[in-house]
Amino acid sequence: DGGITQSPKYLFRKEGQNVTLSCEQNLNHDAMYWYRQDPGQGLRLIYYSQIVNDFQKGDIAEGYSVSREKKESFPLTVTSAQKNPTAFYLCASRNRRDPNEKLFFGSGTQLSVL
Amino acid sequence: AQSVTQLDSQVPVFEEAPVELRCNYSSSVSVYLFWYVQYPNQGLQLLLKYLSGSTLVKGINGFEAEFNKSQTSFHLRKPSVHISDTAEYFCAVNTGFQKLVFGTGTRLLVSP
Repeated sequence: DGGITQSPKYLFRKEGQNVTLSCEQNLNHDAMYWYRQDPGQGLRLIYYSQIVNDFQKGDIAEGYSVSREKKESFPLTVTSAQKNPTAFYLCASRNRRDPNEKLFFGSGTQLSVL
Repeated sequence: AQSVTQLDSQVPVFEEAPVELRCNYSSSVSVYLFWYVQYPNQGLQLLLKYLSGSTLVKGINGFEAEFNKSQTSFHLRKPSVHISDTAEYFCAVNTGFQKLVFGTGTRLLVSP
């Protein structure tokens, strides 16, 4: 079945440590997105990519980095510069040329600080 | 810049009662509007969307929404809710710049 896979489901970060969240899709989508979800704040866009080897900052990119070396993969690194990383992280993808512009979401990764 | 406002952070309702979840948006250009649902510890699923045409949009699980351009609203309704509808609901707007802007969400709590 086609879909988006995020791993791990739960992740713990020590102070000063970088951690990487995985996002893989087999939907042949060009566009991929990373959102951060905090209680009462909805979803906020961290980074997005519309094509391989290209990505743009979203609204809250500071303290995060991404890469897009393959169409199906869009990993997110939470760096030590992100001082408040505890949140639920959601990856999504979309067919860039689809006029309906429906987003497909992964099941998320809960990141917590030790 | 476009934005989305969901005024109600939580809506409690009894099973089989009707419900309306409110969403207002601001944008100076044509918009695409969406409602997504999130069950606990999961990603979001699309409930329905408005792109153009009829202002009354029907979605999955018996939900519908009405686009009102003059009031810049896109409220979500269901005539009779079930326990299984307990979830968080997000309104979102896309003005075609490949970015979706989400509201802060409304938690629907259905009790027996």
